[in-house]
Order: sequence, then C-alpha cells, then structure tokens
Amino acid sequence: AQKVTQAQTEISVVEKEDVTLDCVYETRDTTYYLFWYKQPPSGELVFLIRRNSFDEQNEISGRYSWNFQKSTSSFNFTITASQVVDSAVYFCALPLPKLIFGAGTRLAVHP
Amino acid sequence: NAGVTQTPKFQVLKTGQSMTLQCAQDMNHEYMSWYRQDPGMGLRLIHYSVGAGITDQGEVPNGYNVSRSTTEDFPLRLLSAAPSQTSVYFCASTDRSSGGAIQYFGAGTRLSVL
Repeated sequence: AQKVTQAQTEISVVEKEDVTLDCVYETRDTTYYLFWYKQPPSGELVFLIRRNSFDEQNEISGRYSWNFQKSTSSFNFTITASQVVDSAVYFCALPLPKLIFGAGTRLAVHP
Repeated sequence: NAGVTQTPKFQVLKTGQSMTLQCAQDMNHEYMSWYRQDPGMGLRLIHYSVGAGITDQGEVPNGYNVSRSTTEDFPLRLLSAAPSQTSVYFCASTDRSSGGAIQYFGAGTRLSVL
C-alpha cells in the first residue's frame, strides 16, 4: 500500500530557529516522486517541491532544504532561520497513481 | 493567469439539499481531481478524471457525483447533503507533461451542512 506519514502534528518555534518537518512514506514502486505543499492561514495550497526517487541529492532553495533518503523512506523538509511568514500547515505527498497526502504538520513561528 | 477557479468560496446548506461545486481550469490539463480536507486528516481524494468523459472514484466517493464533459470543467455534485460532508473542498488540475505530476489547486470551497 502507498502511505505517507507525518508524525509531527504541530511544531512551535521562535523566529530564527531552524526546524525540520519529517515525512516517511511507503510505496511498492521503484520509481516515484514525492512532493511538499504549503497551506498558509489563507487556505490555499502551494506547491513547494517535487523530487524524483532517482535523485537523492539534497536540494536547497533559499532558507528551505530537503533531505531525501531512500534507505529510510524519508523526505524531510528543513526551514533555516524560520520567519513568522513560514507559519502554515505543510503536507508531504506521494502521487502514485493518485496524490496521497500525509496528515500535515502545523508549524507556528512566533516572533 | 486564472489557473484553477473554484466557486463558491463559502456555502451553507441544510441537510438533504443538493448543490454543485464548480471547478474550472485554463491550463488544458487532462487530469483533474476533487479533495476534501478535514482537521487532522490531510486531504482525501473524492473523485478524479483523466480526461473528458472519464471519471473514477477516489478514497471517499460516497455521497458525491462528478462528470467531465469538457477538459476545462469538473463539477462536484452533492445530491443530498449530510452534516458529515461539512468540510473544505479543493479542486486540483494536474500537469502530467513532465512526469511526477504537479497538482495545482483552487482556492477551496468551505461547505457547512446544518
């Protein structure tokens, strides 16, 4: 079965702290993609990143970085020097064949 | 630059009423889907369509109908609303052109069934 687990329901940090959101997935497929989406308080869903299972290199985009480890079936997301604007619910997702979302992690960044 | 447009943004229904949630996309994507979002449960797939005239069920299809007569539109119908259908509904359109399909979401419809 395909499944995405985000064990952290809520995380609360103070601005400028680094924070890592965990994502563990299960799939029988040998080739797959993984996604992260952000849902800010306004409610829309914003695509953040897509990762191919062939590519295990870490990816960095500004303050965001992603660590993909096939050996542990994890695709973790780190925000460096968090800001209040990072407060949102973050979803990890597996799109085979229908997009399966984790339950989400609510991140609260306090000034 | 419309992307995915959902209407209405908010709706209140009484139990037993019917309504249609509208979804339109202007990106010429073949694949569209409907999700519902409930607290602590992430997003769950209701129905999806891989092209005009083709629809299929997702995880939680009961109580909902869909049709896809055009590439652009994918309405979701509630035939007899129930309080358990109180939720936020998202329509998504998927770009499958490059593999690892990216889904683009509408702004959502917040539905309350009394």
